[in-house]
Amino acid sequence: DSGVTQTPKHLITATGQRVTLRCSPRSGDLSVYWYQQSLDQGLQFLIHYYNGEERAKGNILERFSAQQFPDLHSELNLSSLELGDSALYFCASRETGTATDTQYFGPGTRLTVL
Amino acid sequence: QQQVKQSPQSLIVQKGGISIINCAYENTAFDYFPWYQQFPGKGPALLIAIRPDVSEKKEGRFTISFNKSAKQFSLHIMDSQPGDSATYFCAAELRRALTFGSGTRLQVQP
Repeated sequence: DSGVTQTPKHLITATGQRVTLRCSPRSGDLSVYWYQQSLDQGLQFLIHYYNGEERAKGNILERFSAQQFPDLHSELNLSSLELGDSALYFCASRETGTATDTQYFGPGTRLTVL
Repeated sequence: QQQVKQSPQSLIVQKGGISIINCAYENTAFDYFPWYQQFPGKGPALLIAIRPDVSEKKEGRFTISFNKSAKQFSLHIMDSQPGDSATYFCAAELRRALTFGSGTRLQVQP
């Protein structure tokens, strides 16, 4: 168990809908990263937040947005969903200021768009 | 320039054998190279990592070999066990963002 929690575990919705995925980082970790894992695109970095501020963007679509709240949990919002958005979405949190400086991944949310 | 190329796509090894997975990168600004192990239904878990100022790092049965001039790095799993059967991802980090390879599905046969 990495200490990173994600809810829900599974999500089934229809095209055109909007969903929110939630991530709670490990205690004390200020950084949260979001990744998308699909069969055709592999594991892709979406976005990084540090202590409430956006730090880096990867291959994140304009229909997707994220935020990190004062309690450090983060939410990934996916809107106008398309069939191709079906994927596993992982968040990861990171130790800061340590020698290992590792990203710890949560168990993921499996999104199915019908 | 952000790509990390990983091979092979799949690998079958007998129990006790050596598993070798290779990765190559283009961007010389990458400064951290981790390997992740992922079991079905789970998130990736850090296995071992190396920084580019080191040519080799060993942790138990797992070794990373790093060739900075060739821009290549590899994972060696010695004495492979059926419990090692999983998907392995190499990654390269730049400014705290990871770029992943496409993954290698390893199957260790008993």
